This record gives sequence, structure tokens and C-alpha cells, in this order.
Amino acid sequence: DSGVTQTPKHLITATGQRVTLRCSPRSGDLSVYWYQQSLDQGLQFLIQYYNGEERAKGNILERFSAQQFPDLHSELNLSSLELGDSALYFCASSYSRTGNTEAFFGQGTRLTVV
Amino acid sequence: AQSVAQPEDQVNVAEGNPLTVKCTYSVSGNPYLFWYVQYPNRGLQFLLKYITGDNLVKGSYGFEAEFNKSQTSFHLKKPSALVSDSALYFCAVRVPNNAGNMLTFGGGTRLMVKP
Repeated sequence: DSGVTQTPKHLITATGQRVTLRCSPRSGDLSVYWYQQSLDQGLQFLIQYYNGEERAKGNILERFSAQQFPDLHSELNLSSLELGDSALYFCASSYSRTGNTEAFFGQGTRLTVV
Repeated sequence: AQSVAQPEDQVNVAEGNPLTVKCTYSVSGNPYLFWYVQYPNRGLQFLLKYITGDNLVKGSYGFEAEFNKSQTSFHLKKPSALVSDSALYFCAVRVPNNAGNMLTFGGGTRLMVKP
């Protein structure tokens, strides 16, 4: 158990809908990262938050947004869903601001858009 | 920009034989390097990291990796493979900067250990 909790584990929704994925980081970790894993794109970095503030953005679509709350949990919002958004979405957390500590990953949310 | 290459989609090895999973990277600056393993329907599990110091780093489950700066490589090794090592392995690089310290992953290598 990595200590990172993601809910829900599975989500099936229709095209055009909006979903929210939730992540609780390990106790004490200030950084939260969101990644998308798909068969054809591999693991793609989406966005990072550090202590409530957005720190870095990767290949995140404009239809996607995220935030980190004062209790450090984070939510990833996906809207106007398309079939191609079907993927495994991972959240990871780490403590260090400088990046010399490993990131711990949750078990992921498998999103299926039908 | 930073990037990671894992040149082999799959590595096959017999149980008891040594294994190597290759990784090369491209960064500007001093990299932090990581290996993760992913079992079916699971998240990524941390195996080991290189931050600084000794080029040979040891990690979980008997795995080790050697950082080679001149060849920009960080190959994962294990002296004797187990069937239970069969999984998807990811190499990742991180270069901390003011814009964030996200991990950039390679495409992954599937390791198949046959009895």
C-alpha cells in the first residue's frame, strides 16, 4: 500500500459527460501529480500541485482541470468527455520540493468513456 | 526538455538467469533517475533511485541499477530473475527546476520471466 488513495477505482460514463477523480496523498506529502496512462501514449504527465498551488502543467487538455484543497487532497475534473479520454488516471504524491524523493502512486482510476 | 528511452518493448529471460532492462535519458542538467514497476491492474511501485553519489544503486526485491553519465544510461539489473518479476518496468527522469519537478517516463518494458 503506497498510502495514496484514489477514488473511484472504476468509472464508466458517456461521451459529453463530466467526471471528477479524487486523490488523497500520503500523509505529509505536499506535492500531488496527475498522470494519464493509455496504451498508445504511455504515461503522460498532466499537472502538478504543491501545497495548494499549481506548479507545473504538462499535456493537459483545456477540457481538464485540477485543484488541490487546503487539506492537500486533489481533484481532477474531466469534462466534455470523448472516447479517446478512456485511460487509467494516476495520482502520485511526494514530499520534497526539490524532487530528490520518490513519488508514490495510487492504484489509479480506470475511466471508460462509451 | 527531458526525455527517456526504453529501447526494448519486451525482454524475455529464463528464471535464474540475470536480467537487464535498458534505459537512456536526455536532459539538460543533473538528472534524478528512477525505476518503477507496474503489476497488472496496479499502480506504479517505486524500485530504486539515483540522486547523487555511488553510481550503483540497490533497490527493492534484489534489483539494482547503474548510473552511467557518459552514456546517459540507467539500466536496471538483477542477478537472478524470478517468475514473479514478470511485470511492466518504467524508467523515469526528473530535473528539478522552478517550473516543477515532475517525472518524465519512458515507454515501459515488459519483462517476461519463464520457468
